[in-house]
Amino acid sequence: AQSVAQPEDQVNVAEGNPLTVKCTYSVSGNPYLFWYVQYPNRGLQFLLKYITGDNLVKGSYGFEAEFNKSQTSFHLKKPSALVSDSALYFCAVRDPGGNAGNMLTFGGGTRLMVKP
Amino acid sequence: NAGVMQNPRHLVRRRGQEARLRCSPMKGHSHVYWYRQLPEEGLKFMVYLQKENIIDESGMPKERFSAEFPKEGPSILRIQQVVRGDSAAYFCASSPNGYGQYFGPGTRLTVT
Repeated sequence: AQSVAQPEDQVNVAEGNPLTVKCTYSVSGNPYLFWYVQYPNRGLQFLLKYITGDNLVKGSYGFEAEFNKSQTSFHLKKPSALVSDSALYFCAVRDPGGNAGNMLTFGGGTRLMVKP
Repeated sequence: NAGVMQNPRHLVRRRGQEARLRCSPMKGHSHVYWYRQLPEEGLKFMVYLQKENIIDESGMPKERFSAEFPKEGPSILRIQQVVRGDSAAYFCASSPNGYGQYFGPGTRLTVT
């Protein structure tokens, strides 16, 4: 079975500092990995995905994520945080070769608070 | 407290038929979201509803798709005159306050 863990319920950073939101996963095969962001009163918005290729994936709004197979991680990063980045972030995984078909499994979410 | 429930889990429809997907949110949750996941893709937001109101339908196709969340009963995503391109997994999520979301297991729609 596939699973995703986001070990931090909340991450606090100061504006202008780098940010990292952690995600680890478990799948039986090669994972497809995704990050989503949710702003208040909105649905999830896609940020970026890793399917294959370069381990460093660049996405929307200046975010990037690094796929690390040995550590089964896919941490979300941004070099310089903005107050407007404050939101809820979800990591998700799909195991294309597993029994779940194309269904995604989501982590529990991490709230990012960026303070001025 | 049961989680978000979706039914059916698998739905097969022929082209031109109607598909009705149901979502029962977690107890006490009055916010419901619908997402579609096409093969090889992540989730795409479709619509956000509160009881009896559509809050954000910016992700809904303009034709054939509709959603409701009545005062009583589950939220329904309705697809009329389905086409092969509608084949996807449809996820529902619910929230108590419009912020954090709890996802259901999804409905896999196959159009033949």
